[in-house]
Amino acid sequence: KAGVTQTPRYLIKTRGQQVTLSCSPISGHRSVSWYQQTPGQGLQFLFEYFSETQRNKGNFPGRFSGRQFSNSRSEMNVSTLELGDSALYLCASSPYRQTDTQYFGPGTRLTVL
Amino acid sequence: AQTVTQSQPEMSVQEAETVTLSCTYDTSENNYYLFWYKQPPSRQMILVIRQEAYKQQNATENRFSVNFQKAAKSFSLKISDSQLGDTAMYFCAFMKHGSVGQTGANNLFFGTGTRLTVIP
Repeated sequence: KAGVTQTPRYLIKTRGQQVTLSCSPISGHRSVSWYQQTPGQGLQFLFEYFSETQRNKGNFPGRFSGRQFSNSRSEMNVSTLELGDSALYLCASSPYRQTDTQYFGPGTRLTVL
Repeated sequence: AQTVTQSQPEMSVQEAETVTLSCTYDTSENNYYLFWYKQPPSRQMILVIRQEAYKQQNATENRFSVNFQKAAKSFSLKISDSQLGDTAMYFCAFMKHGSVGQTGANNLFFGTGTRLTVIP
């Protein structure tokens, strides 16, 4: 099976802009989770989608949002970008029968100038 | 709330030797899972090993094994016969057991990581 794919791999934006990141899960996986990784804060959970519904949300402002499509692909959107949003954004998928191991994509490196 | 602590920011080991990475966690949950992930310079997060809290037997995966001490809330990773390809950041992570949609279920809580360098 193909692994989790994320596009784009690298992105440069300026403050105030918005950005959309995409994640395609492993075939058959229905849950997609997003994480932010920064040197200062480490790895932090953003949100999780299952069956097109947000099931869990981390402690991030409303500028961070996401959605999931019927084919389980997910997008994450950040509006009004701030310098502190510069990070590696990781997507992970799992089958989610109940609690399941998450398998990660290669990440999208976002730089905000 | 769950917290995961990795007290060793950096470690090094000679090729072919054995190294142990430490992890402690704090939780009031009784059913949960623990993971070790590695993140090499490519930044791809790769699952190393998984442990279910209800299992007393320590998980093993080839050269990787864990020492899971539930009462002490400790979950260390032992890498035997270290190889150059083991050079990476290693993250310990906690996930509580839960049903679909249950708050906090299926979220990974990560430690701050241990940077392991294997020396030729």
